[in-house]
Amino acid sequence: GDSVTQMEGPVTLSEEAFLTINCTYTATGYPSLFWYVQYPGEGLQLLLKATKADDKGSNKGFEATYRKETTSFHLEKGSVQVSDSAVYFCALSVSSGSARQLTFGSGTQLTVLP
Amino acid sequence: DTEVTQTPKHLVMGMTNKKSLKCEQHMGHRAMYWYKQKAKKPPELMFVYSYEKLSINESVPSRFSPECPNSSLLNLHLHALQPEDSALYLCASNGQGGYGYTFGSGTRLTVV
Repeated sequence: GDSVTQMEGPVTLSEEAFLTINCTYTATGYPSLFWYVQYPGEGLQLLLKATKADDKGSNKGFEATYRKETTSFHLEKGSVQVSDSAVYFCALSVSSGSARQLTFGSGTQLTVLP
Repeated sequence: DTEVTQTPKHLVMGMTNKKSLKCEQHMGHRAMYWYKQKAKKPPELMFVYSYEKLSINESVPSRFSPECPNSSLLNLHLHALQPEDSALYLCASNGQGGYGYTFGSGTRLTVV
């Protein structure tokens, strides 16, 4: 079945450091790929998405490129801030009958220290 | 309106109580979802409604009963829950042809 493998956490960085969170996937067909962020005590917010190979999603300084050849969708940010501290989930979506289903990775806890 | 609204935000209930969680969206999305999330874990899919019909039930115990009264509303009725059912319950919606799911902020449920 479809699955997402995400970099184990927790990850602790100093402010202004470079961030990479690795994500690889296994899927039949052509999935759409997402990164979601969850701040403490809140629901999930869509951070960025890509719907086909070589698409680059970007938002709030975060980027991820849909790499079909390596089945990857790594999240990067050039300079993290304390406010980026959250849990990050990589996810994929494939069509299943009349509704698309979302499959999540295990999540990566990011803590950014001042 | 680009939000999914969930009420209540917090709920404490006893094991003999009956309560309901409510989810509402006005984006015209025809697919709506219930997820359960335990601390430090990813969300787990419970139910999927497509065009107001239940299309997926991920082997959820019968003490959880979903309902979709119309295209904008999704309810989750709770009865005789166990302490291990304590979690964050998330509602989401997704538009046809769209690839982004919109999540609500969740209901944090505690069963005592």
